[in-house]
Amino acid sequence: AQSVAQPEDQVNVAEGNPLTVKCTYSVSGNPYLFWYVQYPNRGLQFLLKYITGDNLVKGSYGFEAEFNKSQTSFHLKKPSALVSDSALYFCAVSLTGGGNKLTFGTGTQLKVEL
Amino acid sequence: GAGVSQSPSNKVTEKGKDVELRCDPISGHTALYWYRQSLGQGLEFLIYFQGNSAPDKSGLPSDRFSAERTGGSVSTLTIQRTQQEDSAVYLCASSFMGASNEKLFFGSGTQLSVL
Repeated sequence: AQSVAQPEDQVNVAEGNPLTVKCTYSVSGNPYLFWYVQYPNRGLQFLLKYITGDNLVKGSYGFEAEFNKSQTSFHLKKPSALVSDSALYFCAVSLTGGGNKLTFGTGTQLKVEL
Repeated sequence: GAGVSQSPSNKVTEKGKDVELRCDPISGHTALYWYRQSLGQGLEFLIYFQGNSAPDKSGLPSDRFSAERTGGSVSTLTIQRTQQEDSAVYLCASSFMGASNEKLFFGSGTQLSVL
C-alpha cells in the first residue's frame, strides 16, 4: 500500500521569505511524486512531478521540490513567497507500473502575508 | 472543451434521495478518475476508467456508489440513498493515457450537501 503524509495543516510565511511545504511518502517500489495546488473555489492544478533523474524538480510559478530517497521526502519549496501563492497544496504519489491511481496527502494550507 | 467540465457545481439533496454527478473529460483523454474531497481528509480515490478496460472500483466506499462511462467520454457518478456522510466535493479528473507518471487535469468539482 502507498501513503503520503503532510505533517503541517497550515504554513504561514511572510511575503518575500522562502517557503517549504513538507511531504513524506511510503511505497513498496519506485514512486512517482506530484504536487498539486488548489486555489479557492477552483479545481486542483498540477505544479510539478518527479519521475526519475535529477532529484531537484522545477515546476510552475517558481516552485521546486527535492526528491530525497533516503528520507522518503518530497518537500515543496519556493525561494520567495508571494501573497498570490496562498492556497491549499497537496502532495501525491503513484507507483511505477501501478496504474495512475494517485494517493494524496491531506493537504497543507499555505498562507502568505504581507 | 478546454478543460474537464463537471455538473452541477452544487447539489443539495435530502437524505435517502439518489443523485447523479456528471463529468465531461478533456477531448482525447482516455483515462478518467473520480475523487472525493472531504474537510480534513484530503482526496480519496473512488474509481478509475481507462479506455475499454474494466474500471478500477476499489475506492468506492459502499455499494450505494456506482459510476459509468459511456462511449469512452462522459462519466456519471451515481450515489443511491444518500447519507449525510456523503456530503463532500466530488472531483473528476482525466489524463491522456492513464500512465502512472502522467499529470491529471481536474474539474472544479461538485459540492454535494446531503441534508
